[in-house]
Amino acid sequence: DGGITQSPKYLFRKEGQNVTLSCEQNLNHDAMYWYRQDPGQGLRLIYYSQIVNDFQKGDIAEGYSVSREKKESFPLTVTSAQKNPTAFYLCASSILGPGYGYTFGSGTRLTVV
Amino acid sequence: SQQGEEDPQALSIQEGENATMNCSYKTSINNLQWYRQNSGRGLVHLILIRSNEREKHSGRLRVTLDTSKKSSSLLITASRAADTASYFCATDIGTSGSRLTFGEGTQLTVNP
Repeated sequence: DGGITQSPKYLFRKEGQNVTLSCEQNLNHDAMYWYRQDPGQGLRLIYYSQIVNDFQKGDIAEGYSVSREKKESFPLTVTSAQKNPTAFYLCASSILGPGYGYTFGSGTRLTVV
Repeated sequence: SQQGEEDPQALSIQEGENATMNCSYKTSINNLQWYRQNSGRGLVHLILIRSNEREKHSGRLRVTLDTSKKSSSLLITASRAADTASYFCATDIGTSGSRLTFGEGTQLTVNP
């Protein structure tokens, strides 16, 4: 089945640690996105990529980094510079261009301990 | 700031009733999309309506778009307990690269 897979489902980070969230898709989609969701709120865009080896900052990129070395993969690193990283992180992919919906992964819940 | 704002924030109805959720946005759009999210899960795409369309149907879903008022509504007819979820509108303003901006959602509870 084609889809988008996020791992791990739950992740715990200690203060000062960097952690990397995985996102893999086998839908042959060019565009991939990372969103952050806080309790009871909507989604805010962190980073997005439309082509391999290229990505753009979203609305809340500070304290995060990404890479797009393969079309299928778009990992997100939450760095120690992100002061409030506890949130639900959602990865999505889509066909490039307007007029297409996003396919979302099932999310990673990150908690700082 | 959020491009889309849903209204109401929460809605509780009985099974069999219709549920209507509204979304307002601020700037011109290329298209508007509705998504559903079950608690603790990812979002699922429900329906997309383009800026030159006024109404669209998909099963028990009916979406309207009024670009003059910069608003959209999602109607779920004959609701079921399984429709309980959060519903989000998302706008695509169609500038360089497609990127969606999401509202804060409406939490729908359908009581059996």
